[in-house]
Amino acid sequence: EAQVTQNPRYLITVTGKKLTVTCSQNMNHEYMSWYRQDPGLGLRQIYYSMNVEVTDKGDVPEGYKVSRKEKRNFPLILESPSPNQTSLYFCASSFGGRGTDTQYFGPGTRLTVL
Amino acid sequence: GESVGLHLPTLSVQEGDNSIINCAYSNSASDYFIWYKQESGKGPQFIIDIRSNMDKRQGQRVTVLLNKTVKHLSLQIAATQPGDSAVYFCAEKGRDDKIIFGKGTRLHILP
Repeated sequence: EAQVTQNPRYLITVTGKKLTVTCSQNMNHEYMSWYRQDPGLGLRQIYYSMNVEVTDKGDVPEGYKVSRKEKRNFPLILESPSPNQTSLYFCASSFGGRGTDTQYFGPGTRLTVL
Repeated sequence: GESVGLHLPTLSVQEGDNSIINCAYSNSASDYFIWYKQESGKGPQFIIDIRSNMDKRQGQRVTVLLNKTVKHLSLQIAATQPGDSAVYFCAEKGRDDKIIFGKGTRLHILP
């Protein structure tokens, strides 16, 4: 089944404790992206990747890192999480970053930083 | 700056009626627009898209209209069903490949 998976689905952590949210897709997509979703603010793009070893900042990249060493994986790293990073995070992928490529979203990761 | 907004945060529609969800965008250079549906507890799901060289596109029970003159996008859902209850987001993709989402409209279906 074609899908985007994220782990963990739920996470409660404390300020400053490094964490990684994994994202994997099995559709051989080139483009992958991370979003955060907050009430009243909608979905905002954190980082995106056009292909392996190619990553770019989205609209809200501060406090986040990503890497794209393999085509299928695009982990989101919070080196020193803070309470303002409490949010619902979505990973997405598409065949390409241009044109009319549909993005497929993962199920979401709800992160709480205390 | 770029922004994509929806006119109403919630919309209530009688089952069987047509729903119209509106969206305004500000970046005239955007060349691609997408509508997503997000059900409770799930990630957004693609519904329909439209390129800037078109003004109308139809899918199964859905139609997207694009008015570039006033930078307005709408999603029409025909014969609204209980399963259509969700939050609907419009999104635009600028030529820099960044995707900007609107804040969403929650569609309530009345029995």
